[in-house]
Amino acid sequence: DTEVTQTPKHLVMGMTNKKSLKCEQHMGHRAMYWYKQKAKKPPELMFVYSYEKLSINESVPSRFSPECPNSSLLNLHLHALQPEDSALYLCASSLFAGGSYEQYFGPGTRLTVT
Amino acid sequence: KQEVTQIPAALSVPEGENLVLNCSFTDSAIYNLQWFRQDPGKGLTSLLLIQSSQREQTSGRLNASLDKSSGRSTLYIAASQPGDSATYLCAVHGGSNYKLTFGKGTLLTVNP
Repeated sequence: DTEVTQTPKHLVMGMTNKKSLKCEQHMGHRAMYWYKQKAKKPPELMFVYSYEKLSINESVPSRFSPECPNSSLLNLHLHALQPEDSALYLCASSLFAGGSYEQYFGPGTRLTVT
Repeated sequence: KQEVTQIPAALSVPEGENLVLNCSFTDSAIYNLQWFRQDPGKGLTSLLLIQSSQREQTSGRLNASLDKSSGRSTLYIAASQPGDSATYLCAVHGGSNYKLTFGKGTLLTVNP
């Protein structure tokens, strides 16, 4: 099973709301990633977790707060977002971080901030 | 800083044609290169992964080559079908960081 699942598929939130995105994988991967993709642009890395610890934060604003409660689950908590944060948020995983490991992506959550 | 360029940005071909998508990267110190497919509004599907020590990988009608020294990769699609219509992204994984650097993609349309 090479599947990464993400919920919800779509999310509309106001600028004062608090919401969370969820990502799950059951491939035994120890690295998980959050990417942001704007329309007609390539994905941009936001965060990397390795063995449930945050390894990389690509200077992401604090209104995005990642959490990795266990090796299979990755959350992205959202608070006080701006309309420009509207994008497709993609989760990915790989066996380990770094090196030569293939990344598997989920279907994404389409976020609209109103 | 690694930069990845994909040419052409868009390609329209009739069904049945063989085609080549190109990817170039500026820093040859890479661990691997991945080709992805993305349908509109959807996630990325990994098509092929080529390790830096490999020259090519094949999966069905797809063949990807890698020339690390010249910083180039090609994705060859044989006997294209309308279902192949999508955006194809090339990404390189380089150095000691965990980062995949993506190209901007090639939008492929295969016309019936």
